Amino acid sequence: NAGVTQTPKFQVLKTGQSMTLQCAQDMNHEYMSWYRQDPGMGLRLIHYSVGAGITDQGEVPNGYNVSRSTTEDFPLRLLSAAPSQTSVYFCASSYGGWGTSREQYFGPGTRLTVT
Amino acid sequence: KNEVEQSPQNLTAQEGEFITINCSYSVGISALHWLQQHPGGGIVSLFMLSSGKKKHGRLIATINIQEKHSSLHITASHPRDSAVYICAVRFTGNQFYFGTGTSLTVIP
Repeated sequence: NAGVTQTPKFQVLKTGQSMTLQCAQDMNHEYMSWYRQDPGMGLRLIHYSVGAGITDQGEVPNGYNVSRSTTEDFPLRLLSAAPSQTSVYFCASSYGGWGTSREQYFGPGTRLTVT
Repeated sequence: KNEVEQSPQNLTAQEGEFITINCSYSVGISALHWLQQHPGGGIVSLFMLSSGKKKHGRLIATINIQEKHSSLHITASHPRDSAVYICAVRFTGNQFYFGTGTSLTVIP
């Protein structure tokens, strides 16, 4: 299994540009989520999905969109990039959500810089 | 307010030392996770706890629900344990909150 994959690893955007961060898993996990990690702050949940066709907002959803058309893929879209979205983004997946006994699997991260 | 606090923020230890990292939270939770983030950035899930104690190799995690506190212990620490250790809790619903992490450096 490849586990959780994320592309790209690094990206530089100009303010106002849009892009999609890709996340895929090959473990047939129901639960997928996106986090951002900023210096001096803990990981923060952006959006999550409990299955294909079902998504919900996390703690910091503004400026981001998600969709889940298949079990495997959970892309994160930045609609109009802002410097405040400069961060490291992690995708994670598991059979169940946090609070179950299921291990969470994280992707390697995408380092995004918005100038 | 849902808060997760970790201590210490930074920790340096000599190889072989016993290490304790603490996590405190503000209100009742349904579960607590300990994660390890490697220097290269990758994140690995270590434990999920809702009560009691779990052990995996040299790692031991405990939780005291009444005191709203969890500890992660590393016995016989080794330089390869150098990483950031992150506590994550689920309060209610599907919102998950993370501590800012404890950066551990183990010196040979």
